[in-house]
Formats: sequence, C-alpha cells, structure tokens
Amino acid sequence: DVKVTQSSRYLVKRTGEKVFLECVQDMDHENMFWYRQDPGLGLRLIYFSYDVKMKEKGDIPEGYSVSREKKERFSLILESASTNQTSMYLCASSLWGTTSYEQYFGPGTRLTVT
Amino acid sequence: AQRVTQPEKLLSVFKGAPVELKCNYSYSGSPELFWYVQYSRQRLQLLLRHISRESIKGFTADLNKGETSFHLKKPFAQEEDSAMYYCALSGHSNYQLIWGAGTKLIIKP
Repeated sequence: DVKVTQSSRYLVKRTGEKVFLECVQDMDHENMFWYRQDPGLGLRLIYFSYDVKMKEKGDIPEGYSVSREKKERFSLILESASTNQTSMYLCASSLWGTTSYEQYFGPGTRLTVT
Repeated sequence: AQRVTQPEKLLSVFKGAPVELKCNYSYSGSPELFWYVQYSRQRLQLLLRHISRESIKGFTADLNKGETSFHLKKPFAQEEDSAMYYCALSGHSNYQLIWGAGTKLIIKP
C-alpha cells in the first residue's frame, strides 16, 4: 500500500516567514509533485521532480522552491510567505513508466499565512 | 491547448437518483482520462481510469472521443458518494496530469 506522508496537517505562519513543507513516500516512486488546492481552481501544479536533485517548474512556481536530496523526500519551500499563499498543499508521487499516470496523494497541509 | 473542463462546481441530488458529473477535455492526441475523488477529511485518490473500463463503487465513465467527454455516472446515488470529484487527463509528458476544477457532489437524504 502506497504511503505518502506530509509533515504537518495544519500550519500557521506569519507574513515574511520562510516555510518548509515536507513530503515522504515509501514506495520508491521516481516522480513527486507539489500542488495547491483552492476552491474553484482545482489542483495547480507548483513543482515536480522526476529524480533526485531534478526539478521542473509547474504552472505556478512563483514564490516557491523545492528540494529533492533523497528519492523518498520532496520539500516545498516558501521563501517569504505571503497571505495569498494561504491554501491547501498536496504532495503526490507516481512511478516512472507506462503506469506513471496514477498519482498517490498525501493527506495535505493546510497552510494559513497571517 | 490541453484543458479539462468540469462545468459544474456543485451538484446536488437526492439519494437514489441518478448522478452524472460532466467532464470535457481538449487534447490533440490520444488521451488517458481519470476520475479522482476526495471524501471529507480523506486524501485524494484514484476512482477510475478510462482504459480499465471498470465500475468502481457503482460509478462508470465512458470516453467519448467525438464529444471529447468523459462523464462520470452512477444510476443510484448513495449518501456516501458525497465528495469532491476531479477529472484529469494525461498530458504529452508521461508523468503530469492536467486537472479540472472539480465538482462537489452532495447527496441529499
């Protein structure tokens, strides 16, 4: 059973703080993703990684960075949190290859920036 | 441009009534389509994919290439079907998904 875990379920930060969100998967998946989930907007891809130290920008990378030093861990960093980054953040992972389309999701982190 | 459209943000039906959640897409190749579901306080999970042609929890979805649609259907809604439903499409890369905005389904008792 694929397990994707995220470091926090709820997080409250102040404007300007540096915020770290961590995601760990235990199924040796090559691909990992960070999404924002906002009502009416669906899931928007922030960044994804297809291998250790490899990353590519998604649709809304501004204000975010990522780090993937180990295959199982993918971190999302908000360099200087702003109120418009208040959102639900979802991490996902998938296999590389012909079955790579199915993504497995973590429980989400609800971030509030005040 | 690749796009997934779910025209209804909210759909409310009575228990026992038929349900149809609409999904339309635009894609220049042969797409792979998915429905994902998120129940309250649970993680987003795959419900079904068109290549499997299976029924999950009574739901089915048929890919209609002529109408570029992949609507999700269930003949008799149950209260436990209340959830957020997302339609997704595989893009030209082999790992990204393109997501619709989602439809919140509420089943009234």
